[in-house]
Amino acid sequence: ETGVTQSPTHLIKTRGQQVTLRCSSQSGHNTVSWYQQALGQGPQFIFQYYREEENGRGNFPPRFSGLQFPNYSSELNVNALELDDSALYLCASSSGQGRGTQYFGPGTRLLVL
Amino acid sequence: RKEVEQDPGPFNVPEGATVAFNCTYSNSASQSFFWYRQDCRKEPKLLMSVYSSGNEDGRFTAQLNRASQYISLLIRDSKLSDSATYLCVVNAVRGGAQKLVFGQGTRLTINP
Repeated sequence: ETGVTQSPTHLIKTRGQQVTLRCSSQSGHNTVSWYQQALGQGPQFIFQYYREEENGRGNFPPRFSGLQFPNYSSELNVNALELDDSALYLCASSSGQGRGTQYFGPGTRLLVL
Repeated sequence: RKEVEQDPGPFNVPEGATVAFNCTYSNSASQSFFWYRQDCRKEPKLLMSVYSSGNEDGRFTAQLNRASQYISLLIRDSKLSDSATYLCVVNAVRGGAQKLVFGQGTRLTINP
């Protein structure tokens, strides 16, 4: 086990709603990265948080936002959900702005109807 | 063009066979290379890092060719438990972040 936890495990929402996903990083890690994995695809980088600041972002619109807390846990928020947001959302915990090995949590499976 | 490209398969091979996966990457500035394994409905897990000198871990051998921007994974004496999706991964810098860029994944099924 990586020690990275995510909640909830599964979620069903309707188009237009908002969702918050949570991630607890491994002890000693100060960096959390979020990825979106659509069915049949590899994970895609959404953004990364290092010491409570966003320090890198992939090609995702502003309705994808996040937070990192002083204990280095993190949230991913998605507003105005679209059908294409249905995916597995993975967080990865690491040290040093992602330079260390990134350890993935089990993911949250989101279905948007 | 995708940053990391790999054959999605599926590969169906008999137990005991040798199987090879390849991938190419487009960003010549990439510094770190990995193979991850992902079981059905699970998270990706690091299988091994890949170095220019090539590296081996039991039945698994990984190779990197920086000049050709090509990465390979060889699995010898395949086991039923090797059935999974294998993801080719390179790192990239985005702002201050070291992000991972994943290929689509190659699905492998080992048949008894």
